[in-house]
Amino acid sequence: DAGVTQSPTHLIKTRGQQVTLRCSPKSGHDTVSWYQQALGQGPQFIFQYYEEEERQRGNFPDRFSGHQFPNYSSELNVNALLLGDSALYLCASSFEEKLFFGSGTQLSVL
Amino acid sequence: SQQGEEDPQALSIQEGENATMNCSYKTSINNLQWYRQNSGRGLVHLILIRSNEREKHSGRLRVTLDTSKKSSSLLITASRAADTASYFCAPARGSYIPTFGRGTSLIVHP
Repeated sequence: DAGVTQSPTHLIKTRGQQVTLRCSPKSGHDTVSWYQQALGQGPQFIFQYYEEEERQRGNFPDRFSGHQFPNYSSELNVNALLLGDSALYLCASSFEEKLFFGSGTQLSVL
Repeated sequence: SQQGEEDPQALSIQEGENATMNCSYKTSINNLQWYRQNSGRGLVHLILIRSNEREKHSGRLRVTLDTSKKSSSLLITASRAADTASYFCAPARGSYIPTFGRGTSLIVHP
């Protein structure tokens, strides 16, 4: 049984560009959450998707958007990248209040 | 905010010693979870304790919860070098979306 998988593992972009990160949840999990983790900080909640709808959102600008597909996989899109968007982006699927995390996508914005 | 704050920020011990980390939070909660993160990787769920529980054990882990003081502690007994990681507490209520503090960085020296 595969766990939560994220792609790509590493990504380098330039300021102003757009990026799409992908996540496949653990089998049987229908809820996907995205977190941003800057170096030395804890993960910060971006948003959560359930039944293809954004159910909750953290304190992130509209440049951050997402999507959930009928197979429960999810994408995180970030537009107009800033240097400050450089971080580890973590996807997590939920089961019985517990989060199961992928290994993350390390995004570097130059 | 229901975000937890871990203390200390860093802890350095010898293999075989016990490690204790504390977590404080500000709002009422339904449960509190502890997660571990190895460097640059996703978080791994360790243990969940509900608001009506005072203590919970899982292997070498012992978690306590004092809702009157809005605090929790994680004790790792007989620590091993492999326990070296960052540890995060995540209080949650209502929406069950865990939110994370900056964590405690634990180093266990062989």
